[in-house]
Amino acid sequence: DGGITQSPKYLFRKEGQNVTLSCEQNLNHDAMYWYRQDPGQGLRLIYYSQIVNDFQKGDIAEGYSVSREKKESFPLTVTSAQKNPTAFYLCASTPLTGPGDYGYSFGSGTRLTVV
Amino acid sequence: AQSVAQPEDQVNVAEGNPLTVKCTYSVSGNPYLFWYVQYPNRGLQFLLKYITGDNLVKGSYGFEAEFNKSQTSFHLKKPSALVSDSALYFCAVRALNSGNTPLVFGKGTRLSVIA
Repeated sequence: DGGITQSPKYLFRKEGQNVTLSCEQNLNHDAMYWYRQDPGQGLRLIYYSQIVNDFQKGDIAEGYSVSREKKESFPLTVTSAQKNPTAFYLCASTPLTGPGDYGYSFGSGTRLTVV
Repeated sequence: AQSVAQPEDQVNVAEGNPLTVKCTYSVSGNPYLFWYVQYPNRGLQFLLKYITGDNLVKGSYGFEAEFNKSQTSFHLKKPSALVSDSALYFCAVRALNSGNTPLVFGKGTRLSVIA
């Protein structure tokens, strides 16, 4: 059963704590993305990666870090430097074959709450 | 730079009536355009896309969208709305030949279909 798996579904973070959100895909997709969703603001790009061991900052990368050691995995760490991390986080992936006319496959999201 | 505007935060429609969710875009050159739907606490699901060809694109669940190059619009439509269509809808764009740059999403439009 192919797809993107995000875990955990719900995550609670204490002030000053780093937390890591997991994103795994078995679609053999080349590119992976992390978006943050806040009410009324749509999806904002945090980081993306098109090949293993390489990634680029998106529009709101400050306070976040990522790694891409395997094609299947693209974990996101929310660091203590992110002052307002409460949000819904979405991971997506896409193949990069052809001229880029593929849409994204999305995971079911992780809701992060600061307590 | 690429951008998407969804001018309506909320659209209300009676069940059985036609619905339209508006989207306008800005890209350099020709666009790839997408519509996604999101149900509560879930990831985004692909509805339809425009790459090239016919300006009227048909997608999942009876939805269609009309590409209008002169008005830089890609409005989502459905002839007869269902209560189950109530959800959050996102328009997304990237430019053709933009080197696989990430999709840019609009802020979303919440569709409410009233029985």
